[in-house]
Order: sequence, then C-alpha cells, then structure tokens
Amino acid sequence: DGGITQSPKYLFRKEGQNVTLSCEQNLNHDAMYWYRQDPGQGLRLIYYSQIVNDFQKGDIAEGYSVSREKKESFPLTVTSAQKNPTAFYLCASSPRPQGRETQYFGPGTRLLVL
Amino acid sequence: AQTVTQSQPEMSVQEAETVTLSCTYDTSESDYYLFWYKQPPSRQMILVIRQEAYKQQNATENRFSVNFQKAAKSFSLKISDSQLGDAAMYFCAYSNAYDKVIFGPGTSLSVIP
Repeated sequence: DGGITQSPKYLFRKEGQNVTLSCEQNLNHDAMYWYRQDPGQGLRLIYYSQIVNDFQKGDIAEGYSVSREKKESFPLTVTSAQKNPTAFYLCASSPRPQGRETQYFGPGTRLLVL
Repeated sequence: AQTVTQSQPEMSVQEAETVTLSCTYDTSESDYYLFWYKQPPSRQMILVIRQEAYKQQNATENRFSVNFQKAAKSFSLKISDSQLGDAAMYFCAYSNAYDKVIFGPGTSLSVIP
C-alpha cells in the first residue's frame, strides 16, 4: 500500500536533547512538508522540500532542522534551541511542489517534553 | 498576506441531518485553490474536497459539497446525511498555484446519534 509513515507515534524529549522524527513516503512524490499542530491552531509550516537535496524554511523553522538525502525520506530534528517543542507533528507529501496539489498526510508524531 | 478564518470552533449535528461549516479567506490573487481537509480522532488528515477558483461550479464529493462565493471570499462545506464517522476536525485551506498552503484554525464537528 502506498502512503506516508511517521515514527515514532510518541516521543519524549529531555531538556537539552535533540530528537529526530522520521517521515517516509512510497508515493514517489517530489515534495514533502513538515507541519506543527497546536490546540486551537491550524497547521503551521516548519520546513518543506521541493526536490532531493533541497529544502526551504517555512513560517516557524527556528529550532528545527531537516535533510532530504533521499526522495522517500524527510526527517525532522527538533533541536535544544526549540524552547516549546510539545506539539503534534505532521508530515505530508504532494506529487509536485505546487500549492494546487493535494497533500497526503502521515499519522503524526506527538512530542512531549519530560 | 493571505489568511483563512473559520469562525466556528465547534459545531454539532444530529445523525442524518445536514450541517454547514463556514470558511472565509483573504487574498488579492485571482487564481487560487481551496481545500477542506478532515482530521478524525486518529489524527491522520485526508482531503475532503478541492475547488479551483476559476471554476464557477461548486465542487461536490458524494455527501460533501461546497458553496464557493468568490466575490465574498467564502468557501463553506456542507455535509448531508451526517454519519457518526463524519465526527472530526475540519480544516479549510487556501493556496495560490505555486505557493504554500495556508490552513485555518479548524472546526471540531460532533455527530449526535
């Protein structure tokens, strides 16, 4: 089955620790996205990638980093510089990096701070 | 900057009844796309319906339809014959052809048996 997988489902971070959220897709999509979801707010774009080895900052990139070494994979690292990381993180992909395209979402990762 | 507003944080509907979720947006563009996404309790978002601004005909998808009023910048979602599985968060979203997608804050829909 084609789709997007995210792991882990739950992640706990200690103070000063970097953690990495995994996102993999087998849809052969060019574009991939990371969103942060907080209660009462819509999705906010953290980073996006239009093609392998290329990515751009979204609206709230501070304290986060990404890589896109393979078409299928777009991991997100939450660094210790992100002071309020507790949130639900959604990864998405689209066939082409255009706003007109439907986005396909993974099941999400909930990040909690210990 | 473009914005998307959903003025109803929570809505409820009786099973088998019809409900309309509101969405307004602000843009100076003439060519753009509008979406409704559903996020059920499982949290995995899926597309419900998509509308191209240049099309005057309202999009429909089975029990889901939209009322697209371009001049008023309004894009409401109508759910007919509501089912228990329709209970979810619904997000309205806007994008021009080549830029990022902007999501509204969402409306939580409850379906009463």
